[in-house]
Amino acid sequence: SQTIHQWPATLVQPVGSPLSLECTVEGTSNPNLYWYRQAAGRGLQLLFYSVGIGQISSEVPQNLSASRPQDRQFILSSKKLLLSDSGFYLCAWSEGQSYEQYFGPGTRLTVT
Amino acid sequence: EDKVVQSPLSLVVHEGDTVTLNCSYEVTNFRSLLWYKQEKKAPTFLFMLTSSGIEKKSGRLSSILDKKELFSILNITATQTGDSAVYLCAVKGLTQGGSEKLVFGKGTKLTVNP
Repeated sequence: SQTIHQWPATLVQPVGSPLSLECTVEGTSNPNLYWYRQAAGRGLQLLFYSVGIGQISSEVPQNLSASRPQDRQFILSSKKLLLSDSGFYLCAWSEGQSYEQYFGPGTRLTVT
Repeated sequence: EDKVVQSPLSLVVHEGDTVTLNCSYEVTNFRSLLWYKQEKKAPTFLFMLTSSGIEKKSGRLSSILDKKELFSILNITATQTGDSAVYLCAVKGLTQGGSEKLVFGKGTKLTVNP
């Protein structure tokens, strides 16, 4: 069966510091991978998605970037965090173009 | 183990029908329950429920939470083909370490035929 991992679960970083959040998927090959941010009391905002190694699409302009160095690894990064980067970040995967996406447990990022 | 179970997994109806989607949960330190509509890439937020018995309504969609019985329902009246999507239920809770987590159900795939 497929599983998706995210770490860390919680992160507190000062403004201006770098960021690296990691997501890995097990039990599947060539998944579509997604990074979301969830604003308080609202829905998920898609940040990046990837259909293959080295292929990244950005949905919204922001202070963040994403990379996919391996088939089942997706990394969310920032060179300098802003206060507005605080939020709950979710990684998700899907098989090809199917609608169903499966989400990781999430990372709560607080920028102070 | 925390879990969110949605039923049915798949549903096919005709335009004009009324549907009820179910979501039951077992989550440590419950905070809120959220419903999403997922069509292509990004799920679209529908409702967030935190209190029992208070119906939230948006057009033809409505939802209610029962914290005693640990479930929620999402109703869609007078369905349209544009309602075809996967509807996700997610529950926010706290881990023992105090961090938040969002536990999603697998979704109900609704198909509305003309």
